[in-house]
Amino acid sequence: NAGVTQTPKFRILKIGQSMTLQCTQDMNHNYMYWYRQDPGMGLKLIYYSVGAGITDKGEVPNGYNVSRSTTEDFPLRLELAAPSQTSVYFCASRLPDAQETQYFGPGTRLLVL
Amino acid sequence: QKEVEQDPGPLSVPEGAIVSLNCTYSNSAFQYFMWYRQYSRKGPELLMYTYSSGNKEDGRFTAQVDKSSKYISLFIRDSQPSDSATYLCAMSYGGSNYKLTFGKGTLLTVNP
Repeated sequence: NAGVTQTPKFRILKIGQSMTLQCTQDMNHNYMYWYRQDPGMGLKLIYYSVGAGITDKGEVPNGYNVSRSTTEDFPLRLELAAPSQTSVYFCASRLPDAQETQYFGPGTRLLVL
Repeated sequence: QKEVEQDPGPLSVPEGAIVSLNCTYSNSAFQYFMWYRQYSRKGPELLMYTYSSGNKEDGRFTAQVDKSSKYISLFIRDSQPSDSATYLCAMSYGGSNYKLTFGKGTLLTVNP
């Protein structure tokens, strides 16, 4: 049972490039989330999904896209990377009835130069 | 006014000290109150949670919620160097709402 896994661990992008951050969970959790964490700023919700085929925007969705074709996977797509997207990205998942417990992945560090 | 306010610290204490971490919030609709712990370069993990008001104790950790004051606290007794981490408070409306609202986190260092 690996929990929530994220790849890559670290990536450097040039301005204007695109990439996909991968997230997979093996706990059969319906709900999945993408956050970004900037130094001293806590966690900001980018997108979330309550099940396969259902996604919705969080508080900072601009510049990102998501898809959810399976229960296990929730990739985050960055189009036309900008320096403002330099951050640490965390994927999380939880069960529908467990309001309090989100399980987080180890994070992806992204540097846009 | 931000929904959740948390003093980012940093907070540095000697080993064995009692640590108090706090958050305030503005929306009285929050029902679930959580504390997540995040070690350096790791993802957050749930430490404790409380539903509505009251206290909850787990070993050296005590979580308190005062809904009348919109104030939550986490106390750590006999703090250890292994407690050195960032502590994030988080809150949820419950029901059909799926999202957590996080504080900015407080960086705690416990010195041996």
